[in-house]
Amino acid sequence: DGGITQSPKYLFRKEGQNVTLSCEQNLNHDAMYWYRQDPGQGLRLIYYSQIVNDFQKGDIAEGYSVSREKKESFPLTVTSAQKNPTAFYLCASSIGTPDGITDTQYFGPGTRLTVL
Amino acid sequence: AQKVTQAQTEISVVEKEDVTLDCVYETRDTTYYLFWYKQPPSGELVFLIRRNSFDEQNEISGRYSWNFQKSTSSFNFTITASQVVDSAVYFCALKKAGRRALTFGSGTRLQVQP
Repeated sequence: DGGITQSPKYLFRKEGQNVTLSCEQNLNHDAMYWYRQDPGQGLRLIYYSQIVNDFQKGDIAEGYSVSREKKESFPLTVTSAQKNPTAFYLCASSIGTPDGITDTQYFGPGTRLTVL
Repeated sequence: AQKVTQAQTEISVVEKEDVTLDCVYETRDTTYYLFWYKQPPSGELVFLIRRNSFDEQNEISGRYSWNFQKSTSSFNFTITASQVVDSAVYFCALKKAGRRALTFGSGTRLQVQP
C-alpha cells in the first residue's frame, strides 16, 4: 500500500540529547514537509524539501535540522538547541507541482516526542 | 499576512444531528486554495477536500458538504446525520501561491455522542 510512515510513534528524550524522527514515503512524491503540532493549536511548518538534496526552512526551523538524500526519506533531527521540543510531529508529502499551490499534502501518522 | 480562524474550539452533538464547522480566512491574494483535514484520535491528518479561490461552487460528498463564500471569506463544513466515527479534530487550512506551507486554523474538536 502506498503511504507515509513515521517512526517511532512515541519517543522520549532526555534534555540535551539530539533525536532523529524518521519519515518515509512510497508515493513517489517530490516534496516532503515537517510540521509541529502543539496542544490546541494548528500545525506549523518546520522544514520542507521540494527535491532531493534541497530543503528550505519553514516558520519555526530553529533547533531542528533535516536531510534529503533520497526521494523517499526526509528525517528530522531535533537538536538540543530546540528549547521546547515536546510536541507532536507530522510529516507530509505532495507531488510537488511547479506552482506550489495546486499541491495537496498528505500526512503520516505522526511521532509524539516527550522530553523528560 | 494570512490567517485562518476556527472560532469553535469544541462542539458536542448527539448522533444523527447535523453539525457545521466554521472557517474564516484572511488573505490578500486572489489565488489561493482552501483545505479541510480530519484528525482522528490516532493522530494522522486525513485530507478531506481542496477548493481553489476561483471555484465557489458548493461541494457534497456523501454526508459531507462544504460552503465556500468569498464575500464573507468563509469555507464552512457541514456533516449531515453525524456518526460517532466523525468524532475528531477538524482543521481548515489555507495555501497561497508561492508559499509551500499550509496555514492552519487551530482546529475544532467534534464529539459525537451515541
